[in-house]
Amino acid sequence: DTAVSQTPKYLVTQMGNDKSIKCEQNLGHDTMYWYKQDSKKFLKIMFSYNNKELIINETVPNRFSPKSPDKAHLNLHINSLELGDSAVYFCASSLFTDTQYFGPGTRLTVL
Amino acid sequence: KQEVTQIPAALSVPEGENLVLNCSFTDSAIYNLQWFRQDPGKGLTSLLLIQSSQREQTSGRLNASLDKSSGRSTLYIAASQPGDSATYLCATPNQAGTALIFGKGTTLSVSS
Repeated sequence: DTAVSQTPKYLVTQMGNDKSIKCEQNLGHDTMYWYKQDSKKFLKIMFSYNNKELIINETVPNRFSPKSPDKAHLNLHINSLELGDSAVYFCASSLFTDTQYFGPGTRLTVL
Repeated sequence: KQEVTQIPAALSVPEGENLVLNCSFTDSAIYNLQWFRQDPGKGLTSLLLIQSSQREQTSGRLNASLDKSSGRSTLYIAASQPGDSATYLCATPNQAGTALIFGKGTTLSVSS
């Protein structure tokens, strides 16, 4: 029974396209996150949502728009994809500062 | 602003050896410190979380310690096995507690 799931696992697309990544958690957590892992494997926070409210947006281009329809879901929509957006995107969830549980990641490749 | 550093970036050991992975942080006012494991092409698996008030946590062959005053945490792995080969990441919440700040990880290789 998957705790944090993401779809799709792989996403290959052309520059300029718009794409979405979905995330769902069944842990009853109140906080969800999107992290980006770059080509050097460094993980950095993009967004945090607590009870469906955006609480952090770390200098991310406004082409990236997260949406939280409810506490169990946090989706990431990306407009006008650029080569530099190629990375692995991880969704995570937690009860505030308690242990964060990560999804399997979505590997985005922009051609 | 909190910064997290992990040294060394890579470590190779023979099977059976005990080893220590290091993590340092610049701001000692932390909520907790978390250790994760990441296998190639996979997500992160939480290993241990040490609360700010704790000195150490143990899970099986893993023992994590925390010394806030010196800004350090260590992950001790006893009797290493080839299956322990992975990248180990430490992270601590930012000042507001709204996100984790990660180190760049230590990639461990255990040879049989």
